Amino acid sequence: DAGVIQSPRHEVTEMGQEVTLRCKPISGHNSLFWYRQTMMRGLELLIYFNNNVPIDDSGMPEDRFSAKMPNASFSTLKIQPSEPRDSAVYFCATQIVGQNTEAFFGQGTRLTVV
Amino acid sequence: AQSVTQLDSQVPVFEEAPVELRCNYSSSVSVYLFWYVQYPNQGLQLLLKYLSGSTLVKGINGFEAEFNKSQTSFHLRKPSVHISDTAEYFCAVNLGYSSASKIIFGSGTRLSIRP
Repeated sequence: DAGVIQSPRHEVTEMGQEVTLRCKPISGHNSLFWYRQTMMRGLELLIYFNNNVPIDDSGMPEDRFSAKMPNASFSTLKIQPSEPRDSAVYFCATQIVGQNTEAFFGQGTRLTVV
Repeated sequence: AQSVTQLDSQVPVFEEAPVELRCNYSSSVSVYLFWYVQYPNQGLQLLLKYLSGSTLVKGINGFEAEFNKSQTSFHLRKPSVHISDTAEYFCAVNLGYSSASKIIFGSGTRLSIRP
């Protein structure tokens, strides 16, 4: 398996633009997490899904952020409109729920909003 | 509330010296504990994990960690570090719900190795 695949790896956008980050989980993994990493706040859990259903989105910072998982092999994190303070590295991680195993991380998307 | 505390944000050590990175957790339910490593410009990868059984767990790259339930700690150790161990290390807790496991990370410890 190729692991968790995130795209794009880097994104530079202007303030006010819509940004969509994508994640393809490892086949068979039924739990998916979106994290944001910054120097100031460290690694924050934004939202996670089990079997494509959002379970906890309490970490989503504002209504400008939204996440979807339309099927077991794809998830998106959208920011609309983007702001400079959204600049961070966004990670997607997946896991097999119920087995209490570790999560496997993608390489991340480095987002810069100018 | 469940949380993970990494007591040191940065740990500088000399090459070939021993190192310990500290992690404490708080939880009212059973937990599963992990240490991850993040090299520059990369994602996180698993170093080791504690699920049950022996409280001393061994991981990759010569690292080991000991689960101490009474002290709610899961400190990471290596007897002799190498330059290549320079990275950020994260302690994590997987809350033991079977239907909706949630992984919480500590704030990370940056390990810098001096030659």
